[in-house]
Order: sequence, then C-alpha cells, then structure tokens
Amino acid sequence: NAGVTQTPKFQVLKTGQSMTLQCAQDMNHEYMSWYRQDPGMGLRLIHYSVGAGITDQGEVPNGYNVSRSTTEDFPLRLLSAAPSQTSVYFCASSSPAAGGSRGTQYFGPGTRLLVL
Amino acid sequence: GESVGLHLPTLSVQEGDNSIINCAYSNSASDYFIWYKQESGKGPQFIIDIRSNMDKRQGQRVTVLLNKTVKHLSLQIAATQPGDSAVYFCAELSTSYGKLTFGQGTILTVHP
Repeated sequence: NAGVTQTPKFQVLKTGQSMTLQCAQDMNHEYMSWYRQDPGMGLRLIHYSVGAGITDQGEVPNGYNVSRSTTEDFPLRLLSAAPSQTSVYFCASSSPAAGGSRGTQYFGPGTRLLVL
Repeated sequence: GESVGLHLPTLSVQEGDNSIINCAYSNSASDYFIWYKQESGKGPQFIIDIRSNMDKRQGQRVTVLLNKTVKHLSLQIAATQPGDSAVYFCAELSTSYGKLTFGQGTILTVHP
C-alpha cells in the first residue's frame, strides 16, 4: 500500500489564484481530513469527511472547499489564494473499523504552499 | 473553548536518559488523548493513545499517563535515542469524529 499520498509537494501561488491540493489513500479508509500547520504550531483541522459524499467543516474552513466523490480521494480547493494561506497542508485518513482510537490517523507527507 | 497546550516548547536530553513531555488539556469530554511524533519534513506519526477512562498505558519504550484531576497528560520515553529527536504533539479527540485538537508541540533533541 502507498498509504496516504499528496500532490504537489510544493507550490507557489500568487494572491487571487486558485488551485487544488490532491490527496489519495489506498487503505479503504472511511474517514479523511485536511489540516494546516503553521510554523511552531500544531495542526488545525480545515475540513473532514466520514465517507463518500459527506463532508463537514473543521476549525479553520474559510477560503477552502472540499468534496468526496470517492472513498479514495479527498481534494482541497483554494478558491482565491491569500498570503495567510501560506502553510504546510496535511491530509490524513483513518478507519474506525481498525479499532482503538479513531484518532489513529495516517498522515500524508504534506504540501508546502507559498502564497505571494 | 477546547484547547490543548504544552508546558515546555523544547527539551534536550542525553542519549540513554528518560524523557518526559507534558501536555495540559481543557476539554474534559474528550474520548481519547493521543501522542504524535513529527520528524522534519514529514507528517505526524501516531505513537500511542489513551482512553479517557484509563490512567496509564504502556507501549514499546513509551508510557502515557493521564491525570484527569488536573487535566494533565504526559509522554515518557525510556532510554531516549537520537532517532527520537522530533517534535511531539499531544492531541485530544472529542466524540465528534475529526475533531482532533492539537497542542503547540515540544521539540525533543537527543544528544549522543
């Protein structure tokens, strides 16, 4: 299994541009989430999904959209990039059927985004 | 509101020593408390978790202690190795899935 994969690894955008961060998992996990991590801080939840066709907002959803048309993919869209969205973005997946803490999430390697 | 914080932002230890990383939380309704390890340039990696109805849980070289009276969580790493150098985050999970709340993080540096 490749686990959780994210593309691109690094992206530079100009203010106002839009883009989509891709996330895919091959573990058949029901749950997927997007986080952002700013320097010296922990991860903050942007959006999450408990299954195909179901999404919900996290702690910092403004400026981002998500969709979950398949179990495997959970793209994150930046509608109009702003310098405040410069951050490292992590996608994660998990499955309650795996037992234990539902917080046992598998994280992708991250996408570093710089908005000028 | 919900919050999870750490007492110490940095911790330096010698190889072979035991390390203790602390965390304070404020949401008494959390179901689980989780420790993650994040190495430079990588995503967080699950280390160990503890259910809210437990006081202690042990893993391989790691022990998590939960003190609900003072809302305190700690991670103990035995015989710390250079490969343990990383940022360690505590996180709390509420009953609503996906509501993982992360603390600021502690940088652990292990000197050979």
